[in-house]
Amino acid sequence: GDSVTQMEGPVTLSEEAFLTINCTYTATGYPSLFWYVQYPGEGLQLLLKATKADDKGSNKGFEATYRKETTSFHLEKGSVQVSDSAVYFCALSRRDSNYQLIWGAGTKLIIKP
Amino acid sequence: SAVISQKPSRDICQRGTSLTIQCQVDSQVTMMFWYRQQPGQSLTLIATANQGSEATYESGFVIDKFPISRPNLTFSTLTVSNMSPEDSSIYLCSVGRAAEDEQYFGPGTRLTVT
Repeated sequence: GDSVTQMEGPVTLSEEAFLTINCTYTATGYPSLFWYVQYPGEGLQLLLKATKADDKGSNKGFEATYRKETTSFHLEKGSVQVSDSAVYFCALSRRDSNYQLIWGAGTKLIIKP
Repeated sequence: SAVISQKPSRDICQRGTSLTIQCQVDSQVTMMFWYRQQPGQSLTLIATANQGSEATYESGFVIDKFPISRPNLTFSTLTVSNMSPEDSSIYLCSVGRAAEDEQYFGPGTRLTVT
């Protein structure tokens, strides 16, 4: 079945460092790929998405590129801020599964000033 | 997008009791989902709430324990019945529209069972 694998956390970085959170997936067909973010004590927010190969999703300085050849959707940001501290979830959905989301385990990101 | 509210935002309940969580959306949506998120964990789908028909439950979740109502296209409730400490978790409502792949989430209900 479909699955999503994320790098384990927590990931601890200093402010202004470069961020990469790895995400790989297993799915049949052509899933849509997502990154959601959960700030402390809050629900989940859609951060970015990509719906086909080579698409790049971007938002708030974060980017991720849909790589079908490596089945990956790694999240990157050039310069992180303390306010980026949160848990980041990679997920996929497929139309023929009624767009049910398949979730990664989540990666906690801690940014130190 | 959609604006989703949940009530209550948090509650502390005694074992053996039941709690009903409400999810309200600011616009009509096709799909509503209920998730459980245990501390430090990812999300687990409990069920999909279908308007006008019974909810569709995922493996490991049953209607007697988690009855769901979906009376219209903007509202749903999830009841956690006969609670035990293992039910302590965050319960999240999300919504989606037909032929769209995005889901939007409510702020969650933090439940503690003592």
